Amino acid sequence: AQRVTQPEKLLSVFKGAPVELKCNYSYSGSPELFWYVQYSRQRLQLLLRHISRESIKGFTADLNKGETSFHLKKPFAQEEDSAMYYCALSYSSASKIIFGSGTRLSIRP
Amino acid sequence: EPEVTQTPSHQVTQMGQEVILRCVPISNHLYFYWYRQILGQKVEFLVSFYNNEISEKSEIFDDQFSVERPDGSNFTLKIRSTKLEDSAMYFCASSQTGESEKLFFGSGTQLSVL
Repeated sequence: AQRVTQPEKLLSVFKGAPVELKCNYSYSGSPELFWYVQYSRQRLQLLLRHISRESIKGFTADLNKGETSFHLKKPFAQEEDSAMYYCALSYSSASKIIFGSGTRLSIRP
Repeated sequence: EPEVTQTPSHQVTQMGQEVILRCVPISNHLYFYWYRQILGQKVEFLVSFYNNEISEKSEIFDDQFSVERPDGSNFTLKIRSTKLEDSAMYFCASSQTGESEKLFFGSGTQLSVL
């Protein structure tokens, strides 16, 4: 069965420190992987997806098929990065998305 | 920027009552979805809707649930007889093309069943 695992419920780092939010998935085919972010009192929004290979707000994520991982990274955390981050997987053209349980990122000043 | 709008933001109901959660998708979008998130748990897919019919639904979406697009602009989720375990944040989403990366989410309706 398709599954997305985010092992950390909470990650707290100091401003300026590197950030890595872990995500592992299980799917036998070729999924699309995404990171969604939810800032306090705001809606879920797409942060980035593996296909585009882009950097958004300094975040990057590389799909590692060997390790079935899609970890989200940022070299220098900023206070405005504090939010809930969800790793997500899509495996069908019907755009059904499976979410991980989320990691709350807290950036300390 | 156009947004998916959900009303109300918070709904409180008694167990066994019917509730209707309302969503106004982005106007030129063709694919519509409901997700829910029970407190402390992950966001779960409920149902997708296209061309006036359900295209996919999850195990959660049983006979107590139904969706409707009554007037070409609203997209509603009805829970016929609410249970305590239906308490959750319900998110509506829409997409123009049905492609995963172009999903736009509403801000959610927090449903509390007492």
